[in-house]
Amino acid sequence: EVQLLESGGDLVQPGGSLRLSCAASGFTFSSSGMSWVRQAPGKGLEWVSGISGSGTTTYYADSVKGRFTISRDNSKKTLYLQMNSLRAEDTAVYYCAKGSQIMVRGVPLEFWGQGILVTVSS
Amino acid sequence: EIVLTQSPGTLSLSPGERATLSCRASQSVSSSYLSWYQQKPGQAPRLLIYGASSRATGIPDRFSGSGSGTDFTLTINRLEPEDFAVYYCQQYGSSPLTFGGGTKVEIK
Repeated sequence: EVQLLESGGDLVQPGGSLRLSCAASGFTFSSSGMSWVRQAPGKGLEWVSGISGSGTTTYYADSVKGRFTISRDNSKKTLYLQMNSLRAEDTAVYYCAKGSQIMVRGVPLEFWGQGILVTVSS
Repeated sequence: EIVLTQSPGTLSLSPGERATLSCRASQSVSSSYLSWYQQKPGQAPRLLIYGASSRATGIPDRFSGSGSGTDFTLTINRLEPEDFAVYYCQQYGSSPLTFGGGTKVEIK
């Protein structure tokens, strides 16, 4: 059974940093591109970042480029999102999502974790 | 960046009726890399349709997708009570991947 479990969400002050983790199980982690998608309270979905199965190719939304860094540790079957210079508008539920193939582009997000809340406020 | 515009914003229908949801892209979506997701309150999104018209594993055949280029449609035949939810389209052919704003299907 595919499982994705996000952790690391918290209340953080503007300008602060946070690292999210997503522990994967039930599938060959290194064969799946992965993404982070967020949803601000009462709003729609926003794709944040993606990484190929090998970790060599990464993609970012313009809204987070230069502030967020996606990475993965295939030996630990874990996906990460390092978030720096956080802003109030980064407040959202963050989902990790599994692609159906090793790439990010050209691959739908076939399974999602339950999400973790990040709140940026003073 | 490809902008996806979904319409209508809200669809009010009764169980048993057909729902037709639209997703229009600001530029052509390569290779029909267009998917549809369903999200219920407090839950994660669930993949319904990928490649514009292929149903994901376990999705009932009352859900169907169509379209190409810039115009895509999700059709739900004979709405069941569990189908009332918010639906999002997404293009995954070019970076950044983008989502539409969503269509809420509510009980009339």
